[in-house]
Amino acid sequence: EADIYQTPRYLVIGTGKKITLECSQTMGHDKMYWYQQDPGMELHLIHYSYGVNSTEKGDLSSESTVSRIRTEHFPLTLESARPSHTSQYLCASVRDSGNTGELFFGEGSRLTVL
Amino acid sequence: KNQVEQSPQSLIILEGKNCTLQCNYTVSPFSNLRWYKQDTGRGPVSLTIMTFSENTKSNGRYTATLDADTKQSSLHITASQLSDSASYICVVSGYNGGSQGNLIFGKGTKLSVKP
Repeated sequence: EADIYQTPRYLVIGTGKKITLECSQTMGHDKMYWYQQDPGMELHLIHYSYGVNSTEKGDLSSESTVSRIRTEHFPLTLESARPSHTSQYLCASVRDSGNTGELFFGEGSRLTVL
Repeated sequence: KNQVEQSPQSLIILEGKNCTLQCNYTVSPFSNLRWYKQDTGRGPVSLTIMTFSENTKSNGRYTATLDADTKQSSLHITASQLSDSASYICVVSGYNGGSQGNLIFGKGTKLSVKP
């Protein structure tokens, strides 16, 4: 079982609010990722990190930001939420540094912006 | 362009029946292919990984095949159970030094197993 945790699992907020989605893993993985997934659709990479103080934007443009101050922690922040940000956000980390690494996913954070 | 195409998009079968899900890819150069199972509202979980030299691999009632020449993979589920109802995602990894060793996600096949 993967030791990667996301909070909150569900969040309903109003437009313009600032929110932070938390992601923590206890496996010591260097690589961590944030994906966005709309219902019934594929996952899209929005941010990734290869280690402490390393963050990069993914393939899908996103207005969110991330930080990686500690290996185990990779929070995602929306400064001003909008209804278009309504989606499921999945955090993942990789088991090893090679391309064969298995992605371990958290349970996801389902965000609804009213 | 690197792509992963899955079929069918959705599938409904009766409990106890077998089914096969397809994954075609154009990712090159190819490193490996993984099948993930994603229950509704949860994160995906890896079922199996196929590397270039592997043709078939089993994980319980799940059997994955890979034909690297035709760039096709399949996931066969035997004696389906209600708990198999989920989305099955094919993810292909290539070598390009990109964000994740170039992980390309398919859109998934949504499987519903009915009693």
